[in-house]
Amino acid sequence: EPEVTQTPSHQVTQMGQEVILRCVPISNHLYFYWYRQILGQKVEFLVSFYNNEISEKSEIFDDQFSVERPDGSNFTLKIRSTKLEDSAMYFCASLLLAQVTDTQYFGPGTRLTVL
Amino acid sequence: AQSVTQPDIHITVSEGASLELRCNYSYGATPYLFWYVQSPGQGLQLLLKYFSGDTLVQGIKGFEAEFKRSQSSFNLRKPSVHWSDAAEYFCAVGGGLTGGGNKLTFGTGTQLKVEL
Repeated sequence: EPEVTQTPSHQVTQMGQEVILRCVPISNHLYFYWYRQILGQKVEFLVSFYNNEISEKSEIFDDQFSVERPDGSNFTLKIRSTKLEDSAMYFCASLLLAQVTDTQYFGPGTRLTVL
Repeated sequence: AQSVTQPDIHITVSEGASLELRCNYSYGATPYLFWYVQSPGQGLQLLLKYFSGDTLVQGIKGFEAEFKRSQSSFNLRKPSVHWSDAAEYFCAVGGGLTGGGNKLTFGTGTQLKVEL
């Protein structure tokens, strides 16, 4: 069964450094998402992406964040200057967009630790 | 704004016992409702979803959920819990494929512990 993959599984970085989290959505899917889950808290929507542009973003997704689909397979989330509070599990998801009952498939997540 | 409330943070049940996890939602239009399960170190796996039609929906691993519009609830049930069901369960609401692209709003989750 096709699945969403994410790399790396765990990323440790110093505060102020840039990080890029990578995702490979399911190949024929058209809508892509990033969510994050701070330890012990709920999963929160960050951004959705369709047709090479941001469809919607949350208030969390400020100027420090950006997303890109650099080629036909990867979907990346960049954090320009990481803060301690960016430490979280980041989930990528993708959606086929063929019918209203389509659902999002989630990747296994990247745990980001900012020191 | 859409929101989801899962009033139970932790639930412990004995193996073989029945289970009900509560979920209440707030949404201004027709909600699309989901239950996801997250095992330790794993991603989110879809258990079941409700879009329309029959209010009792069946999912994987023997789970079912009932949509009750009058109570704004979408509770998850399983008649007999197995030790492997120990995990965290998230209820989520989405708006379908509208301009927002079906972003999901999650509840805070219910951690299920199964006693042998």
